Amino acid sequence: DQQVKQNSPSLSVQEGRISILNCDYTNSMFDYFLWYKKYPAEGPTFLISISSIKDKNEDGRFTVFLNKSAKHLSLHIVPSQPGDSAVYFCAAGDANTGNQFYFGTGTSLTVIP
Amino acid sequence: NAGVTQTPKFQVLKTGQSMTLQCAQDMNHEYMSWYRQDPGMGLRLIHYSVGAGITDQGEVPNGYNVSRSTTEDFPLRLLSAAPSQTSVYFCASSYGTGSGQNIQYFGAGTRLSVL
Repeated sequence: DQQVKQNSPSLSVQEGRISILNCDYTNSMFDYFLWYKKYPAEGPTFLISISSIKDKNEDGRFTVFLNKSAKHLSLHIVPSQPGDSAVYFCAAGDANTGNQFYFGTGTSLTVIP
Repeated sequence: NAGVTQTPKFQVLKTGQSMTLQCAQDMNHEYMSWYRQDPGMGLRLIHYSVGAGITDQGEVPNGYNVSRSTTEDFPLRLLSAAPSQTSVYFCASSYGTGSGQNIQYFGAGTRLSVL
């Protein structure tokens, strides 16, 4: 049973506009959330994270929002750039268990020049 | 700085053959993991290790074996390959537990086909 879900397999946005990628989770014990970005033929690379004690974390063009009551998080990219075209994975887990993170199925983002 | 290195990048096996996927990291990370990525399934944890000599099972451990004799290396063994093990395999490492220390660094992956 998928504990982390990304219900949009793909998303297309125009360059300069906002990209919003969504993620839902089912396990209320999860207290740490990460977004990874993956280009073809490469491994995922860390993008941004958020702890459950926060509801927002920002890093440059990337902002992650966490709604614990809804068990929902989202990644906002503003402004979107063609180089942002990649697959984005959401991951969730308990910060103190180290490696036991559960990944979503990914959303393929295409930024159109 | 090499980071996480996986070999081979591609492999084709026949059903019943065995092989070892290699993973090495040079960041002195205590935690290492193996994932498989299948279409529509995301990344699923196979086995993980919290340090040399310590391993444990993840979500999908059946058919795979691991050992961790050194901090640097974490090989994944397929004892008798099956077509259901056709997948892309990723190795990852992280410094430890706790916020900020559990960010995983991934290798480039091994694409395995079992015929």
